[in-house]
Amino acid sequence: RKEVEQDPGPFNVPEGATVAFNCTYSNSASQSFFWYRQDCRKEPKLLMSVYSSGNEDGRFTAQLNRASQYISLLIRDSKLSDSATYLCVVNGPSNTGKLIFGQGTTLQVKP
Amino acid sequence: GAGVSQSPSNKVTEKGKDVELRCDPISGHTALYWYRQSLGQGLEFLIYFQGNSAPDKSGLPSDRFSAERTGGSVSTLTIQRTQQEDSAVYLCASSRGISSYNEQFFGPGTRLTVL
Repeated sequence: RKEVEQDPGPFNVPEGATVAFNCTYSNSASQSFFWYRQDCRKEPKLLMSVYSSGNEDGRFTAQLNRASQYISLLIRDSKLSDSATYLCVVNGPSNTGKLIFGQGTTLQVKP
Repeated sequence: GAGVSQSPSNKVTEKGKDVELRCDPISGHTALYWYRQSLGQGLEFLIYFQGNSAPDKSGLPSDRFSAERTGGSVSTLTIQRTQQEDSAVYLCASSRGISSYNEQFFGPGTRLTVL
């Protein structure tokens, strides 16, 4: 079983749609959770950290369910520019900063 | 300010040759990480540095892979006797410290193709 699992998609949605991505992680000791965005042939960039209480940044909402070891990302009012691969990321062993990446979920927003 | 830079951006080599990949982190970042991303795959951790030391080399795929960091700054990843399965994008990231709460900033990567 992979340490971080995501549905690779692709998710094809029209502009303005709401779309949700899910991710599960295997290590119950994980403490830090993130969503990174990666555009085609570019490097990953941090989209947002995920906090236990859930957090929102504009059109983006991230949720964490520790009991189920489940992380989600909700994108409202999708824009064409949201088209990218979204990587679910979990920290590795403590005091290393090592990150464990999911395979990524591809989103394509169409006009 | 300047971000993480990597060189070369692309490298094509023949099977059996050695290659050296370079990473220049953001100034002042003490932690440096190497990952690789194979086609259609997620990022795979290789090694990290805190200063010049590498406490965790567990991600290096084989003893053909090695990395060093000098002066707490530039790092090189060396692959000896390259194989076709080494073909991937090699990404370097740096952060202020090794805490997982520190954002990692990635460089543009080196695309390695082994023929």
